[in-house]
Amino acid sequence: AQSVTQLDSQVPVFEEAPVELRCNYSSSVSVYLFWYVQYPNQGLQLLLKYLSGSTLVKGINGFEAEFNKSQTSFHLRKPSVHISDTAEYFCAVSDLNRQGAQKLVFGQGTRLTINP
Amino acid sequence: EAGVAQSPRYKIIEKRQSVAFWCNPISGHATLYWYQQILGQGPKLLIQFQNNGVVDDSQLPKDRFSAERLKGVDSTLKIQPAKLEDSAVYLCASSFWGGSLDEQYFGPGTRLTVT
Repeated sequence: AQSVTQLDSQVPVFEEAPVELRCNYSSSVSVYLFWYVQYPNQGLQLLLKYLSGSTLVKGINGFEAEFNKSQTSFHLRKPSVHISDTAEYFCAVSDLNRQGAQKLVFGQGTRLTINP
Repeated sequence: EAGVAQSPRYKIIEKRQSVAFWCNPISGHATLYWYQQILGQGPKLLIQFQNNGVVDDSQLPKDRFSAERLKGVDSTLKIQPAKLEDSAVYLCASSFWGGSLDEQYFGPGTRLTVT
């Protein structure tokens, strides 16, 4: 079964500074990876996803992530953060259940706090 | 396009009581998911429906949790009786057909507090 580890539970950053949120997954032959954002009292929203092709994936709100197969990582980056980026960020990997259907396995989450 | 609707948004109950949550997925979405998100953790899949059939309920505590999706549209998740450790946010999500290339859309969740 797939698993995901988010290496930082909390990341405080000053506004307009760059940020990297780290994510490692368990190795597999093929893997689909996702980053979701959760704003306070809201559901999860897809930021970006890697299915195949280019290892650099661009998402919404200026975020991007790089798939690194040799390091089994999928770190999320943004060159300049804004106060509105304050949220919880979840890395997820697609796995197969016993019936062969796809399901998402989420990491523990990283709380990104942007300070003025 | 209307998103995934959930109700209630908040619920406080005492342990051993029963509670039910309701979810209305995006119109036309065949696959519906219920997740449990305990404070400080990522969402954990409880049950996945494809139309009105169960695809995966391997992590659903079946002695106290039940779920149904009548007519392949709305779904209800029930807990009976509730325990303190059931305090969590219960998220409903839906997708068009449930494949890995298929985006899941999440509702706002129901925050359950068991006292």
